[in-house]
Amino acid sequence: DGGITQSPKYLFRKEGQNVTLSCEQNLNHDAMYWYRQDPGQGLRLIYYSQIVNDFQKGDIAEGYSVSREKKESFPLTVTSAQKNPTAFYLCASSGQDRVSNQPQHFGDGTRLSIL
Amino acid sequence: AQKVTQAQTEISVVEKEDVTLDCVYETRDTTYYLFWYKQPPSGELVFLIRRNSFDEQNEISGRYSWNFQKSTSSFNFTITASQVVDSAVYFCALRPGSSASKIIFGSGTRLSIRP
Repeated sequence: DGGITQSPKYLFRKEGQNVTLSCEQNLNHDAMYWYRQDPGQGLRLIYYSQIVNDFQKGDIAEGYSVSREKKESFPLTVTSAQKNPTAFYLCASSGQDRVSNQPQHFGDGTRLSIL
Repeated sequence: AQKVTQAQTEISVVEKEDVTLDCVYETRDTTYYLFWYKQPPSGELVFLIRRNSFDEQNEISGRYSWNFQKSTSSFNFTITASQVVDSAVYFCALRPGSSASKIIFGSGTRLSIRP
C-alpha cells in the first residue's frame, strides 16, 4: 500500500547528541514536510522540500537540518543545538505542491524524548 | 496575517449527541484552501476534507458535515450522532494561495465521546 513511513516510533536523545528521524514515502509525491507538535498545540513547520536536492526553512528551523537526496526520502536531523527537542515529529508529503489545494498525507510520527 | 483559531480546546459529549467544532481563519489572500484533519490516539493525521475559497457549498459525508461561511471567515465541522470512535484531536488548517508550500494549523480541538 502507498503511504509514508516514519521511523523509529520512539527515540531518546542524550545531551549533546545528534539524532536522525527517517521519513520515506512511496506516493511519488514531489513535496515533503517536517512538522513539530507540542502538547496542546498545533503543528509547526520545521523544513519543507518541493523537489529533490532543494529544501526551505519553515517557521522553526533552528537546531534542525534536512537533506533531500532522493524523491522518496526526507530525513530530519535534530542537532545538539536544539535545546528543547522533546516533541512529536510528523512527516508529510503532497503531490505537485504548486497546486495549493493538494492535501498533505502524514506518517505515524516519531516521539522524541531527552534522556 | 495568516491565522487559524480553534477556540474550543476540549469538548466532551455523550455518545449519539451532535457536536460542532468551530474554526475561524484569517487571511488576506482571495484564493485559499481550508482543510480538516483528524488525529486519533495513534498519532497520524488523517485528511477529512478540503474546501476552496471560491466554493462556499456546504458538504455532507455520512455523519460529517462542514459549513463554510466566507462572511464570517468560518469553516465549522459538525458530527451528527457522535460515536466513541470519533474521539480524537481535530485540526482545522489554512493554505493561502500565495504560499503554496505552507499550511497553517489551528491548535486543535480534543473531542471526547463518552459511551
